[in-house]
Amino acid sequence: DAKTTQPTSMDCAEGRAANLPCNHSTISGNEYVYWYRQIHSQGPQYIIHGLKNNETNEMASLIITEDRKSSTLILPHATLRDTAVYYCIVLKPSSNTGKLIFGQGTTLQVKP
Amino acid sequence: EPEVTQTPSHQVTQMGQEVILRCVPISNHLYFYWYRQILGQKVEFLVSFYNNEISEKSEIFDDQFSVERPDGSNFTLKIRSTKLEDSAMYFCASSDDRDRVLRDTGELFFGEGSRLTVL
Repeated sequence: DAKTTQPTSMDCAEGRAANLPCNHSTISGNEYVYWYRQIHSQGPQYIIHGLKNNETNEMASLIITEDRKSSTLILPHATLRDTAVYYCIVLKPSSNTGKLIFGQGTTLQVKP
Repeated sequence: EPEVTQTPSHQVTQMGQEVILRCVPISNHLYFYWYRQILGQKVEFLVSFYNNEISEKSEIFDDQFSVERPDGSNFTLKIRSTKLEDSAMYFCASSDDRDRVLRDTGELFFGEGSRLTVL
């Protein structure tokens, strides 16, 4: 599975969009980009995933560059409850047994 | 909304004692997992379980660890003889098999965790 690089921390004002970047320059054609978050030592929570098209759900949007070497998770209107560690994970579901490799992630602090 | 539940939320044990952590996965899920997180460190994969057998395990999951699905609802992690370094938060997770073509098992549902403290 490809390695990912994320900034260690970011701040965002409440109500504004939070844009969390992730580099995955070694991603291969059949690997997906997944985003999870972990709120204060709770269990990780799935947010969204995608292959090459941009994706949107009720929690967030995922923008994947055309070359697929990077992506951005967008929380459109961040709230204080979105303060968490956000993990970008690349994996190949067809051969994956549910083994997610968590890095250090990005600690997002949403400020009032 | 269905959720993964774990018990106990916190267990304190003496070094060398056996510990069993319990999990009730989401009812129609077929894949089950254990992860752990030592305080201040990354979330680490321990084991995945499908069709009543281990699919994959990490180097951490040595002979002191075992998993079992004793009935149709519970999934347990046993640590035979606990060590100080086993102190961590243990997370159970489950996933379904909704996409049989892609075997899309990347969406895992995690429980709130069981904190194990070994003294």
